[in-house]
Amino acid sequence: EVQVVESGGGLVQPGGSLRLSCAASGFTVSHNYMSWVRQAPGKGLEWVSIIFSGGDAFYADSVKGRFTLSRHNSNNSLDLQMNSLRPEDTAVYYCVKAYCGGAGCYPWYFDQWGQGTLVTVSS
Amino acid sequence: QSALTQPPSASGSPGQSVTISCTVTSSDLGDYKYVSWYQQHPGKVPKLIIFEVSKRPSGVPDRFSGSNSGNTASLTVSGLRAEDEADYYCFSYAGNNKGVFGGGTKLTVL
Repeated sequence: EVQVVESGGGLVQPGGSLRLSCAASGFTVSHNYMSWVRQAPGKGLEWVSIIFSGGDAFYADSVKGRFTLSRHNSNNSLDLQMNSLRPEDTAVYYCVKAYCGGAGCYPWYFDQWGQGTLVTVSS
Repeated sequence: QSALTQPPSASGSPGQSVTISCTVTSSDLGDYKYVSWYQQHPGKVPKLIIFEVSKRPSGVPDRFSGSNSGNTASLTVSGLRAEDEADYYCFSYAGNNKGVFGGGTKLTVL
């Protein structure tokens, strides 16, 4: 069964750092496209970052230069390192596997979602 | 402000059809054909229901359909059921390895 499980959320002060992890099972992260999507309390979805199967990572303008997405092939997981956190980064962060169908995998269609982990940036 | 604009709300009675629009409002938006739609029930995780404008993943009822005309993508829910009451989000690839979600539409089944 395909599954992704996020961890690492919590309360952090503005300017602080936090590392989120995403553990995958039932598939190999290095062979797939993986994204992070966040949702502020009571608000809509916001795409945050994507890592391609080749290893290149890309970011939304709102987090570029502050967040770093990395992959750990040895334990089939991802990390999202978040630095210089701001109150507006407060959200549930979802790790998402891209959709794969008969014709292949599509990086920009988000299929398997984790349950999310809450990040709260507040003093 | 999102580059994709959705109406904040939509509604319909059971059995009716409802269409939710998703309009490009940014000239920077890239290849607009890579549109997908997501359903999110309160307190639940989003679910992919339409990809590549009009395709459905396995298991998604054919009551859900997608289309694209000009700078507007649309999601139509036919034969409305109570369980269709949820928030719906469009998403598009925006070029330069970035993506953007619409602001979301709350669908109410009357």
